[in-house]
Amino acid sequence: KAGVTQTPRYLIKTRGQQVTLSCSPISGHRSVSWYQQTPGQGLQFLFEYFSETQRNKGNFPGRFSGRQFSNSRSEMNVSTLELGDSALYLCASSLIISVGGTLLYEQYFGPGTRLTVT
Amino acid sequence: DQQVKQNSPSLSVQEGRISILNCDYTNSMFDYFLWYKKYPAEGPTFLISISSIKDKNEDGRFTVFLNKSAKHLSLHIVPSQPGDSAVYFCAASGSSNYKLTFGKGTLLTVNP
Repeated sequence: KAGVTQTPRYLIKTRGQQVTLSCSPISGHRSVSWYQQTPGQGLQFLFEYFSETQRNKGNFPGRFSGRQFSNSRSEMNVSTLELGDSALYLCASSLIISVGGTLLYEQYFGPGTRLTVT
Repeated sequence: DQQVKQNSPSLSVQEGRISILNCDYTNSMFDYFLWYKKYPAEGPTFLISISSIKDKNEDGRFTVFLNKSAKHLSLHIVPSQPGDSAVYFCAASGSSNYKLTFGKGTLLTVNP
């Protein structure tokens, strides 16, 4: 099976611009999550989509948004870019497993998109 | 407030010896724990996970131990190999919860 793919891998933008990142999950995975990794804050949850619906969102401003399409592919958008948005943006698709009657999400990550804001 | 803590930023071991990476958590609602390995400029690679209904899970050279009463888990790598050198992240989630909370990571260096 192909892994999670993310495009583009690298991106340079200037302050005030907007950016759209794309993620294709592993075939059959319907849950897609987005994370931001920075040296200071580590890996932080942005949001998660399942069947085209956002089910949860992390503590990020409204400039960060996303969507999921019917084929489970997902995009995230950041508007009015700030210098602090420079980060590695990671997408993960989930294999949902049942252990003792509880649903658990085993997340597999893509290579990430390195966004630099100048 | 850090709910998942990896108190050792780095660890250095000799090839062939055991590597033990530790992780503590504070949120008692966490009941699923995962370990990831990450190389620079790549996404985290899933290694092994454990549900709170178990106290040990093993996969080849990797074993994860969970001590629920102490809210502590550890990853054992035996024997360690130079290719294991990477940053290791501990992550946790609650039941039917897709949101992972990550520790800050531990840089493991395995010396030949």
